[in-house]
Amino acid sequence: EAGVAQSPRYKIIEKRQSVAFWCNPISGHATLYWYQQILGQGPKLLIQFQNNGVVDDSQLPKDRFSAERLKGVDSTLKIQPAKLEDSAVYLCASSLSSGLLNEQYFGPGTRLTVT
Amino acid sequence: ELKVEQNPLFLSMQEGKNYTIYCNYSTTSDRLYWYRQDPGKSLESLFVLLSNGAVKQEGRLMASLDTKARLSTLHITAAVHDLSATYFCAVENSGNTPLVFGKGTRLSVIA
Repeated sequence: EAGVAQSPRYKIIEKRQSVAFWCNPISGHATLYWYQQILGQGPKLLIQFQNNGVVDDSQLPKDRFSAERLKGVDSTLKIQPAKLEDSAVYLCASSLSSGLLNEQYFGPGTRLTVT
Repeated sequence: ELKVEQNPLFLSMQEGKNYTIYCNYSTTSDRLYWYRQDPGKSLESLFVLLSNGAVKQEGRLMASLDTKARLSTLHITAAVHDLSATYFCAVENSGNTPLVFGKGTRLSVIA
């Protein structure tokens, strides 16, 4: 079974530029999450999708971050314009969302450096 | 608001020694996860603990969950260098909700 795929793996941009990340979850997984992991900290949720609908985006900085999951499969996360403090690893995770166990599987992440 | 605290945040231990990492959380939950993260890598699932008194073991690692005390432990037995990594606990409020992570414990096993 293929895991969660993300691209690009690394991205370096200047502040005020735009950037987009892509995530392809495990086939059949209805729930998709985007987490932000700043160096030395645990991941923090940005947004959760159930199929193509947003379940929780309370911690997404909506003035600069946006995300979509058209057709309920792949997802993109965009930052426009980027700030220095956006430097982090952006992790995508997916889960099956059925039954007692709802284990989340994480992708390799996209490491963003804003200069 | 659910908060998760881990301690210690940094741990340097000698090979062959035993040690325990603690994870406390602030609100009722019966779903707790332990992950391992190597430098520059993503999160690898180690254990899923779903009920009070749950205990799981894999090799030199053993995890337990006490939901009444809101405490989970990750016990390391006879540490080896390969266990050097950052270990995160994460708690889920209820089914199909985002994980809230602790800050992680950076473990370094030295000869």
